[in-house]
Amino acid sequence: GQQVMQIPQYQHVQEGEDFTTYCNSSTTLSNIQWYKQRPGGHPVFLIQLVKSGEVKKQKRLTFQFGEAKKNSSLHITATQTTDVGTYFCAGRGSGTYKYIFGTGTRLKVLA
Amino acid sequence: GAVVSQHPSWVICKSGTSVKIECRSLDFQATTMFWYRQFPKQSLMLMATSNEGSKATYEQGVEKDKFLINHASLTLSTLTVTSAHPEDSSFYICSARERPITSYEQYFGPGTRLTVT
Repeated sequence: GQQVMQIPQYQHVQEGEDFTTYCNSSTTLSNIQWYKQRPGGHPVFLIQLVKSGEVKKQKRLTFQFGEAKKNSSLHITATQTTDVGTYFCAGRGSGTYKYIFGTGTRLKVLA
Repeated sequence: GAVVSQHPSWVICKSGTSVKIECRSLDFQATTMFWYRQFPKQSLMLMATSNEGSKATYEQGVEKDKFLINHASLTLSTLTVTSAHPEDSSFYICSARERPITSYEQYFGPGTRLTVT
């Protein structure tokens, strides 16, 4: 079945440093979504990517969908303590409405 | 808009008892609701897909007789954990897709933390 892996599993950065998490699917995706989950909270939708090679930006966050639509990345520029949490990608294959969540990357930002 | 609520937010029950968790879409109609389970520091695992008025579709390895799902209306889905055991202790989260389908975006509820003693 479809598997979605993320690397790294954990990342500790100093405040102000950049951060990137990578998402890789075993199968081609129709679209991919990114979520942020704060400790003790529920996943909050960040963005959806649909087109091959698509790049979207939200302030300090840059999201990219690979050309083959099997991988994606989330890059945060100049991290802040408010960026702390676990970032999940969730991919949807063609012909299904189900999303498979990635393994997640837990980000800690040291002030 | 697009708010999903869950009740209860946390529950402690004794082994062998059943627990019902409600998932409601408060300001939209949900064609489909999803139930996930999340163990500490792990990812969300899809348990089942619930469509209004029809039987739920369970993921491989999820016991449908243990995790009963009912989606009686476009705004309410329930998950009943029957004969709960300590290994069922987890964080259960539902999500809902709006009707009509627009962007496949899911709206997550705040989750229910179940502890079975």
